[in-house]
Amino acid sequence: AQSVTQLGSHVSVSEGALVLLRCNYSSSVPPYLFWYVQYPNQGLQLLLKYTTGATLVKGINGFEAEFKKSETSFHLTKPSAHMSDAAEYFCAVRDSGGTSYGKLTFGQGTILTVHP
Amino acid sequence: DVKVTQSSRYLVKRTGEKVFLECVQDMDHENMFWYRQDPGLGLRLIYFSYDVKMKEKGDIPEGYSVSREKKERFSLILESASTNQTSMYLCASSFRGAPLHFGNGTRLTVT
Repeated sequence: AQSVTQLGSHVSVSEGALVLLRCNYSSSVPPYLFWYVQYPNQGLQLLLKYTTGATLVKGINGFEAEFKKSETSFHLTKPSAHMSDAAEYFCAVRDSGGTSYGKLTFGQGTILTVHP
Repeated sequence: DVKVTQSSRYLVKRTGEKVFLECVQDMDHENMFWYRQDPGLGLRLIYFSYDVKMKEKGDIPEGYSVSREKKERFSLILESASTNQTSMYLCASSFRGAPLHFGNGTRLTVT
């Protein structure tokens, strides 16, 4: 069975500082990996995803994530935090095999707070 | 711009009531999903549908059923609401693969 662990339910950074949100997964087959963001009172938006190919993936709003197979990790980073980045972030994993319906296993979420 | 619209933002229902949560998408997507979101647990898949009248159970289908009679509409049904079904419910859609567009959620309280 797949599982996703997001280290730290709350992360706080200063505006302009590096954002690092950690995600580790377990999967018996090569995974597809995703990061979603949820702003207050809204649904989720897809930030970025890794399926195959280049292990460094760039997403929207200046975020990127690197797939590290040896570490079973897919950490999300942004060089310089902005106040508008304050939100909850979810990591998710899907087995690369099987049907294409996209059944994901989500992590428990990390709330990012950005201080002025 | 793709829209996934959930009919209610907030719902309050009594234990034992039959509850319908409606979701409509406007992009002719094949896949539609229902998740529940609880603090500290992330999102858990209840049901998904990959075509009209087609459905598959997710991780926590007990106490729920779904209906997809038209491609754009996916309904979640709580046959007999219970207090442990108090939660945020999120609908999502995609052409194929992982959920791409989410609705803003329905916060259901069962008293």
